[in-house]
Amino acid sequence: DAGITQSPRYKITETGRQVTLMCHQTWSHSYMFWYRQDLGHGLRLIYYSAAADITDKGEVPDGYVVSRSKTENFPLTLESATRSQTSVYFCASSEGGAGGEAFFGQGTRLTVV
Amino acid sequence: RKEVEQDPGPFNVPEGATVAFNCTYSNSASQSFFWYRQDCRKEPKLLMSVYSSGNEDGRFTAQLNRASQYISLLIRDSKLSDSATYLCASGGSYIPTFGRGTSLIVHP
Repeated sequence: DAGITQSPRYKITETGRQVTLMCHQTWSHSYMFWYRQDLGHGLRLIYYSAAADITDKGEVPDGYVVSRSKTENFPLTLESATRSQTSVYFCASSEGGAGGEAFFGQGTRLTVV
Repeated sequence: RKEVEQDPGPFNVPEGATVAFNCTYSNSASQSFFWYRQDCRKEPKLLMSVYSSGNEDGRFTAQLNRASQYISLLIRDSKLSDSATYLCASGGSYIPTFGRGTSLIVHP
């Protein structure tokens, strides 16, 4: 089915471990985004990508790494997970341009213990 | 100051009521604006896009006021199923920036 999918949906990891969250979209959208959502902060942009091999930092990039070797995939890696990275992570994509409605994946609920 | 600001609420209204939310934005260069609906523990879903002077879809009307830099969402004849968090977003530089959301609770 067309759309944007994230995996895993739920993840518990230990402090200091590396963890990768996956995001895959089938619309061939140019733009992809990673947000985290925390109570009191709303959606905050971590990283975004305007096209394959083009990525840039958002509002809260520290501790995260992204890559985009293919248009359809945009994985997010926590290099050394910390408890403050416990959050719900949403991947989104859009066609870009002046319109640019973003469409979201179902989210990954990450707990760092 | 956050780029997009919303009153978090909650707005607690009876079924059938009309309710309005406002959202202010600081980037005057923003060209596009959106309202999203987010149910508890779910992803945000696009409710309406707001271009130029506004947009209407059934019971929902969105307006843009560029002079005062705010967008609004009006919900008429509220249903129990409208209970959710409503996020506004501005689309400056092709990157959606979201407000923290306004919580709506519709009660019988």
